Amino acid sequence: DQQVKQNSPSLSVQEGRISILNCDYTNSMFDYFLWYKKYPAEGPTFLISISSIKDKNEDGRFTVFLNKSAKHLSLHIVPSQPGDSAVYFCAASEGNTGKLIFGQGTTLQVKP
Amino acid sequence: EPEVTQTPSHQVTQMGQEVILRCVPISNHLYFYWYRQILGQKVEFLVSFYNNEISEKSEIFDDQFSVERPDGSNFTLKIRSTKLEDSAMYFCASGWDRGRNQPQHFGDGTRLSIL
Repeated sequence: DQQVKQNSPSLSVQEGRISILNCDYTNSMFDYFLWYKKYPAEGPTFLISISSIKDKNEDGRFTVFLNKSAKHLSLHIVPSQPGDSAVYFCAASEGNTGKLIFGQGTTLQVKP
Repeated sequence: EPEVTQTPSHQVTQMGQEVILRCVPISNHLYFYWYRQILGQKVEFLVSFYNNEISEKSEIFDDQFSVERPDGSNFTLKIRSTKLEDSAMYFCASGWDRGRNQPQHFGDGTRLSIL
């Protein structure tokens, strides 16, 4: 099941710079997209989400962009901090199902 | 901040034995979910639960699996006869609404090891 894909397994950025994490999807019926952050031995922590009626949502240092025509979303973290080092999961859901389909995750390392 | 709690954090069980994983969702949430993550693989949906019945289940959620909300606070996942391939992290999640732009919140998971 490759409906949600994160093609970069890992990303390394310098503290203070921008981190850009990418996610692609194939199901045009997805209408709600989320980003979760996960530390080892913990569950996924909700970070930010976006509805398909929007193309941008911002919360502090985190911004999610949605390009429906390209079936692509991205998470921007500015400025990146060492505490942001974690695995980031993109997830999507369709209509009223509530079921989340996850990407494989991208491991972000922010170097001091 | 309210959170989803799961117990135990680690469960070791012999193959063929029954196991029950427990979750306490966030108190005003109405929708409950189980997901699992096999080591090195994606987080996968297992089942959703609302109004004391299953709303949706995946192909993984076969007759060996069941869920229950026995007392209005706990939400349990039972595996009747465990197999080696059931070894995974199991995450419980809850949400105030189903989809509709309401995020699900996850517990820290139970690591299930089948010997």
